Amino acid sequence: AQSVSQHNHHVILSEAASLELGCNYSYGGTVNLFWYVQYPGQHLQLLLKYFSGDPLVKGIKGFEAEFIKSKFSFNLRKPSVQWSDTAEYFCAVSRNTDKLIFGTGTRLQVFP
Amino acid sequence: GAVVSQHPSWVICKSGTSVKIECRSLDFQATTMFWYRQFPKQSLMLMATSNEGSKATYEQGVEKDKFLINHASLTLSTLTVTSAHPEDSSFYICSARGQNTGELFFGEGSRLTVL
Repeated sequence: AQSVSQHNHHVILSEAASLELGCNYSYGGTVNLFWYVQYPGQHLQLLLKYFSGDPLVKGIKGFEAEFIKSKFSFNLRKPSVQWSDTAEYFCAVSRNTDKLIFGTGTRLQVFP
Repeated sequence: GAVVSQHPSWVICKSGTSVKIECRSLDFQATTMFWYRQFPKQSLMLMATSNEGSKATYEQGVEKDKFLINHASLTLSTLTVTSAHPEDSSFYICSARGQNTGELFFGEGSRLTVL
């Protein structure tokens, strides 16, 4: 079945550590890719998105993601996390429609 | 950025009653809104696509008679959970597509607890 997979369910890091969250999808053809963040008690916010062009996408708050078509992946990275990055992170995919299919999410906890 | 607001943010109801959740785009017009359901520690599952002035399109497995969606204006979509049961307890989230950017903006969610 077509799906979006986030293999890291719960990640615990210390401040200043580097972060990489995996996202793989199983759709063929052209896709649009997104990373959303949900801070505790808040609504979903868009971190970054990829539609076309440079496969290395820079988002807000120092996050970036790289689209590797051959691997069907769109991993999220941040060189140095902060305590304020503690949140739930969702990868999402759409196929030229507005319908977003979300991954299961990764809970990130950053300790000072 | 654009703002999408949901009301109520938290509702508790008795089993068998109906509950209406509103989703409003506050500073833009949204021809299309989406309703998601999020179970604890799980991802968002798309329930239906709501188009202004027409019937909603439901995802497979979602009971359209149970989850009534109305999109009467360009700034308001409502989700009514009819004859609610405890298994309907969940976090319901709406999103709306901005007309200019095409970006999706999410509401803060509505937590429904059915006793």
